[in-house]
Amino acid sequence: DGGITQSPKYLFRKEGQNVTLSCEQNLNHDAMYWYRQDPGQGLRLIYYSQIVNDFQKGDIAEGYSVSREKKESFPLTVTSAQKNPTAFYLCASSIDPSGMSTDTQYFGPGTRLTVL
Amino acid sequence: DQQVKQNSPSLSVQEGRISILNCDYTNSMFDYFLWYKKYPAEGPTFLISISSIKDKNEDGRFTVFLNKSAKHLSLHIVPSQPGDSAVYFCAASAPSNYQLIWGAGTKLIIKP
Repeated sequence: DGGITQSPKYLFRKEGQNVTLSCEQNLNHDAMYWYRQDPGQGLRLIYYSQIVNDFQKGDIAEGYSVSREKKESFPLTVTSAQKNPTAFYLCASSIDPSGMSTDTQYFGPGTRLTVL
Repeated sequence: DQQVKQNSPSLSVQEGRISILNCDYTNSMFDYFLWYKKYPAEGPTFLISISSIKDKNEDGRFTVFLNKSAKHLSLHIVPSQPGDSAVYFCAASAPSNYQLIWGAGTKLIIKP
């Protein structure tokens, strides 16, 4: 059955290390997104991609990087430049990249990253 | 600067009664609004949406009301059921804008 998978569910990282969060979808969606959620705040957009080999920065892209080499995959790397990386990270996808703000987004289960 | 505000962090409602979740926004350019529901350790799932050309949209037990002059929308759940216990997020978008702006969420607890 179709859906979005994120791995791992929990991730621990030492300060100064880069870490990559996986996001895979088999919904054949063109658009994919990465959000960050902190306690007491709404979801904030890190990066989004409307099509393979193309992506744009969201509101809080500093300290993060992404790639979109395949339609199904949109991995997020949290670099050592990210000052406060401990958060819950959510990946999402939607069918129509031209209607990104109105098209329903489907979310993965999330990855909780803790920096020790 | 929070453009979408959900001022109640939590709400407790008796099973069978009406749950009303509120959302306020400041950007008058927003023209499309969505509600998502999130269970612990899961990603949000889409619940219901409304365009600014309407003031009400209904889907089963869920109804969203939009008051453009007050920049306020609300989600009504009638009757409330135990499975409705979750965090509810309000989100909004403006024309030709690539992203949704999210509220901080309201945790709804349905008491038996």
